[in-house]
Amino acid sequence: EAGVTQSPTHLIKTRGQQATLRCSPISGHTSVYWYQQALGLGLQFLLWYDEGEERNRGNFPPRFSGRQFPNYSSELNVNALELEDSALYLCASSLVLAGAVEQYFGPGTRLTVT
Amino acid sequence: AQTVTQSQPEMSVQEAETVTLSCTYDTSESNYYLFWYKQPPSRQMILVIRQEAYKQQNATENRFSVNFQKAAKSFSLKISDSQLGDTAMYFCAFMKQWTKGAQKLVFGQGTRLTINP
Repeated sequence: EAGVTQSPTHLIKTRGQQATLRCSPISGHTSVYWYQQALGLGLQFLLWYDEGEERNRGNFPPRFSGRQFPNYSSELNVNALELEDSALYLCASSLVLAGAVEQYFGPGTRLTVT
Repeated sequence: AQTVTQSQPEMSVQEAETVTLSCTYDTSESNYYLFWYKQPPSRQMILVIRQEAYKQQNATENRFSVNFQKAAKSFSLKISDSQLGDTAMYFCAFMKQWTKGAQKLVFGQGTRLTINP
């Protein structure tokens, strides 16, 4: 069974540009979560999508947005990039089922803003 | 809001020793889950162990066990017979209980564990 995949592995952008990160969940998983892992700030919850809907959002500005497609893959968009957006962005997926609380993580996308 | 605190930024032990990583959390929820995740240098986050708050028995997974103290809001991870492959960042995480399964995770700052040969 294929795990969670993310693309690209690395992304280098300049300040003010837009970045698009992609995530494919494990087959059968309908929930996708995005987390930001910035140096010195630990892992922060960004967004949660389930069945195409945004279920919850972390304490991030509106220039962080995303969507979930009918095949449950997801895209994270970061507009007007700032230097502090440089981080590892992790995607995770899970089943939507009582008791199925484990989130399975992808390898991450390293975003560097120069 | 929930918070998770890991007070040990770094730890280092010799191979085969036992090591305990500390975690405390703050919540007003009575039903929740606690997790320890491992992130090796490859960056892949791997679930090590999980604990349901309603269970009094401490979870164990092979060499990994937890000491869950609900009243004290403490959730430590013990690694027995440590191995070089245990070298990684370890994150403690909290999740509110939800009828449909998983919810967002709230992570601690992490503890960097190094196992020395």
